Amino acid sequence: QKEVEQNSGPLSVPEGAIASLNCTYSDRGSQSFFWYRQYSGKSPELIMFIYSNGDKEDGRFTAQLNKASQYVSLLIRDSQPSDSATYLCAVWGDSNYQLIWGAGTKLIIKP
Amino acid sequence: DAGITQSPRHKVTETGTPVTLRCHQTENHRYMYWYRQDPGHGLRLIHYSYGVKDTDKGEVSDGYSVSRSKTEDFLLTLESATSSQTSVYFCAISESSGGPYEQYFGPGTRLTVT
Repeated sequence: QKEVEQNSGPLSVPEGAIASLNCTYSDRGSQSFFWYRQYSGKSPELIMFIYSNGDKEDGRFTAQLNKASQYVSLLIRDSQPSDSATYLCAVWGDSNYQLIWGAGTKLIIKP
Repeated sequence: DAGITQSPRHKVTETGTPVTLRCHQTENHRYMYWYRQDPGHGLRLIHYSYGVKDTDKGEVSDGYSVSRSKTEDFLLTLESATSSQTSVYFCAISESSGGPYEQYFGPGTRLTVT
């Protein structure tokens, strides 16, 4: 069974520091990788996606993909209290039309 | 939210009653999905649609059915609601299968089955 694993947290990070969120996946055929942010009581919102090995940067966010080791990570620089949320990792494999979701990591940014 | 609405937003119903949730999109996206989200389980796919009248099952489809008669509407029906179907239900849409397949979510429906 294809799986996506995330540490449930909570991960506590001081304001202004770098928050590092990790995700591992089991399906070696996975092609695209997504990070979503979900505030309590709200719906998931897409932060960024990555499908090539290496880093992809978007503002304060950097996604890192290592297909050989089957992990993807999200770095948040200069963390702000507004970044406190649950971060969901999702992976698109070789199954049509379906994303496989991790259970999410709860991130807390402490002022 | 990317032109996606869900109705109702909150519903309380009794065990054994049928319930229909509606997802409506104004983006003209081909793919639509129904998920449920429960603590500790993340998002689990119930059913999805890849076009009008084209639907398929996800990993937790038992007790649920769907219909899509128009591009913009995707209905989820709980045929006979049970307490285990108490959950938050999210609809999502996706533009194409050409990659990278990002999905955009509606605001969710909180369903309580008593």
